[in-house]
Amino acid sequence: SQTIHQWPATLVQPVGSPLSLECTVEGTSNPNLYWYRQAAGRGLQLLFYSVGIGQISSEVPQNLSASRPQDRQFILSSKKLLLSDSGFYLCAWSVRGGVRQPQHFGDGTRLSIL
Amino acid sequence: AQSVTQLGSHVSVSEGALVLLRCNYSSSVPPYLFWYVQYPNQGLQLLLKYTSAATLVKGINGFEAEFKKSETSFHLTKPSAHMRDAAEYFCAVSGGGNKLVFGAGTILRVKS
Repeated sequence: SQTIHQWPATLVQPVGSPLSLECTVEGTSNPNLYWYRQAAGRGLQLLFYSVGIGQISSEVPQNLSASRPQDRQFILSSKKLLLSDSGFYLCAWSVRGGVRQPQHFGDGTRLSIL
Repeated sequence: AQSVTQLGSHVSVSEGALVLLRCNYSSSVPPYLFWYVQYPNQGLQLLLKYTSAATLVKGINGFEAEFKKSETSFHLTKPSAHMRDAAEYFCAVSGGGNKLVFGAGTILRVKS
């Protein structure tokens, strides 16, 4: 069966520090991969998605970037964190190739910026 | 463009009562619809999905949803609420381009 792993589960970082969140998927090949953010009271915001290695689509211009160095690995990064980057970050995957496919989510990373 | 509206950001029911969470969608193409549940500090878990087969869809944990094209609705129901159903629920529609469009979410509170 397929599983998705995100780490760390929680992270406290100072303003201006760098960020790297990692997500890996097991048990499937060529997945679509997604990064979302949930800020308090603001629902789910799609940040990036990827349909293949090195292929990244950005949904919202911001202080973050994403990379996909391997088929089942998706990384969210920042060079300098802002207070507004606080939130709950979720990684998700779906089977490639169809609008019928649901997305499957990891357990998330709670990021607090001090 | 596709969109989802969830009516009621908070819903409160008594334990054992009917749960009804409302979702209306807008889509220019035949929609594929999903309901997810999120418990505190966890990711979203798929409850059920509609992909143009039966209009009444049964999911996990006793939930079901009915697709009504004439009403552009996909409401989530459960006959009898349990305390463990307290969570946030999200409706989503396929947005094209491998993406989902999510509603703002409904927080379900279950009173003992």
